[in-house]
Amino acid sequence: EAAVTQSPRNKVTVTGGNVTLSCRQTNSHNYMYWYRQDTGHGLRLIHYSYGAGNLQIGDVPDGYKATRTTQEDFFLLLELASPSQTSLYFCASSDARTSGNTLYFGEGSRLIVV
Amino acid sequence: GDSVTQTEGPVTVSESESLIINCTYSATSIAYPNLFWYVRYPGEGLQLLLKVITAGQKGSSRGFEATYNKETTSFHLQKASVQESDSAVYYCALGIASSSFSKLVFGQGTSLSVVP
Repeated sequence: EAAVTQSPRNKVTVTGGNVTLSCRQTNSHNYMYWYRQDTGHGLRLIHYSYGAGNLQIGDVPDGYKATRTTQEDFFLLLELASPSQTSLYFCASSDARTSGNTLYFGEGSRLIVV
Repeated sequence: GDSVTQTEGPVTVSESESLIINCTYSATSIAYPNLFWYVRYPGEGLQLLLKVITAGQKGSSRGFEATYNKETTSFHLQKASVQESDSAVYYCALGIASSSFSKLVFGQGTSLSVVP
């Protein structure tokens, strides 16, 4: 089974602060995703990537940057954090060639912006 | 656009009672999406509960079942007898894939509490 590890698990920052959420997957999946999960909205896709150096815009990208440095590593960047970005963030990976759309998720990173 | 709507939570059910969580979808970018149920137990990430890729087929796992109904665009989750350990948040999702992208669109989640 795919292993997806996120860090930090919990983070508190101030408005205007700079935050980087990290994600590493160890099964050489080609796709990686960042979702945010808010009550009443389910999971919403922020950005995703199908390989190192590639970035695709998701459904709620405003205020977020992302970078896929290697096959394993995908980072979500909040350069000017706002209270509206307080959320639970999930990273996921998948391999379209072998498992279709099945996503494997990390345990989540809870971010609070005060 | 593509969207998923599921039973509004929270839902509370007594142990050994039956459960149904409704899920309906709208798929505009793909005719036959893959359909999924994911579950998130307290303090954990989401994990796949079951998946069905063919219309008319049923998926099952851990006593849960869901049938892919293209006519009613539904994928309801059912269990005949729930246990306390089933307390979790359940997410219905549809999968969209082409030669250039692959992603899931999720419903809002349904929080389930099973009480003794």
